[in-house]
Amino acid sequence: AQSVTQLGSHVSVSEGALVLLRCNYSSSVPPYLFWYVQYPNQGLQLLLKYTSAATLVKGINGFEAEFKKSETSFHLTKPSAHMSDAAEYFCAVSPYGNNRLAFGKGNQVVVIP
Amino acid sequence: DVKVTQSSRYLVKRTGEKVFLECVQDMDHENMFWYRQDPGLGLRLIYFSYDVKMKEKGDIPEGYSVSREKKERFSLILESASTNQTSMYLCASNNGVYEQYFGPGTRLTVT
Repeated sequence: AQSVTQLGSHVSVSEGALVLLRCNYSSSVPPYLFWYVQYPNQGLQLLLKYTSAATLVKGINGFEAEFKKSETSFHLTKPSAHMSDAAEYFCAVSPYGNNRLAFGKGNQVVVIP
Repeated sequence: DVKVTQSSRYLVKRTGEKVFLECVQDMDHENMFWYRQDPGLGLRLIYFSYDVKMKEKGDIPEGYSVSREKKERFSLILESASTNQTSMYLCASNNGVYEQYFGPGTRLTVT
């Protein structure tokens, strides 16, 4: 079964500093990978996705992620944090031929002024 | 834009009540999903449906049932609500293996 690991339930970052959220997955086959963001009292919104094209994927709001097959990782980064980035972030994986998603437990990002 | 709507944002029910949560999507998606979200546990799949009248159990189906009579509508039913079903419930839809589109969620409190 697919599993997704996100370390650190709460992540604090200073405004203007690098945002780095780590995601590792378990799969013998390169899957489709996604990052979602959830603002308070809202549903999940897609940030970006990897579907076997370019390994560096750019998303909305200045976020990007790099797929590294050798490390089974799909870490999310943003060069400079903004106060509006305070939210919960989820990594998810969908193996080929399977329409289910497996989610990580999420990272709650706090941006410090 | 894809739109997934859920019937209520907030709901308070008593233990033992039958609870219906409704979800509607407007993009003719084949697949629909129900998740519950709890702090520290992420999203856990309760049930999903890949066609009208078709359903499959997810990871935590106990205490829940679902109904999909029309393609655009997917209902989650708590036959006899219990306090441990207090949670945020999220509905999603998609086609194929691509990204899922989520509704705004229903925060259910069972007292």
